[in-house]
Amino acid sequence: QPVLTQSSSASASLGSSVKLTCTLSSGHSSYIIAWHQQQPGKAPRYLMKLEGSGSYNKGSGVPDRFSGSSSGADRYLTISNLQSEDEADYYCETWDSNTQVFGGGTKLTVL
Amino acid sequence: QVQLQESGPGLVKPSQTLSLTCTVSGGSISSGDYYWSWIRQPPGKGLEWIGYIYYSGSTYYNPSLKSRVTISVDTSKNQFSLKLSSVTAADTAVYYCARVEVDTAMVTDYWGQGTLVTVSS
Repeated sequence: QPVLTQSSSASASLGSSVKLTCTLSSGHSSYIIAWHQQQPGKAPRYLMKLEGSGSYNKGSGVPDRFSGSSSGADRYLTISNLQSEDEADYYCETWDSNTQVFGGGTKLTVL
Repeated sequence: QVQLQESGPGLVKPSQTLSLTCTVSGGSISSGDYYWSWIRQPPGKGLEWIGYIYYSGSTYYNPSLKSRVTISVDTSKNQFSLKLSSVTAADTAVYYCARVEVDTAMVTDYWGQGTLVTVSS
């Protein structure tokens, strides 16, 4: 079963860009993942599905400021022109053998 | 656009069974394109997948919870349900129902708003 590893926290300034990382465990580097955003006190929201090739498909209404990319076992979420509402927890998700797996989440602070 | 709404008691006593229902609107639960999932989040912690069900009734559970979990579906009501038995304080969490797409990937693409369930006497 894959394990997803995320840094516990990240920070960046208003108007700047930030790149969050989700790393797949050994033997699972080709897996497709999803990124989710959870603003304080709210339910998670699906952002995008991201393939190992770097190709991604965003959910409905997700701003153009959000993009995805990949390198080996790493899956990235880049947020450009950071806004205050981007301050949130970000989770990655994947699956294997009819089991869903979530990363531990990264708490993003917008300075 | 599909919407999911959880319902059920917000307080459950230790050793009892937690029961929640998710009502799906804006789409049919009988679509073969999706699984219907339960996920929970203890206060201040991350997300934990509980299990999911296909419209046919096929179920898959988190191995760590499998002995206590039952997920069922009622296609006539466009609902699916969660039962978690022998609860303890460790089961206190916000419980989310969600939709999982069955495509090139199996990822969660829609979430309910969540409901807090507290286990306490």
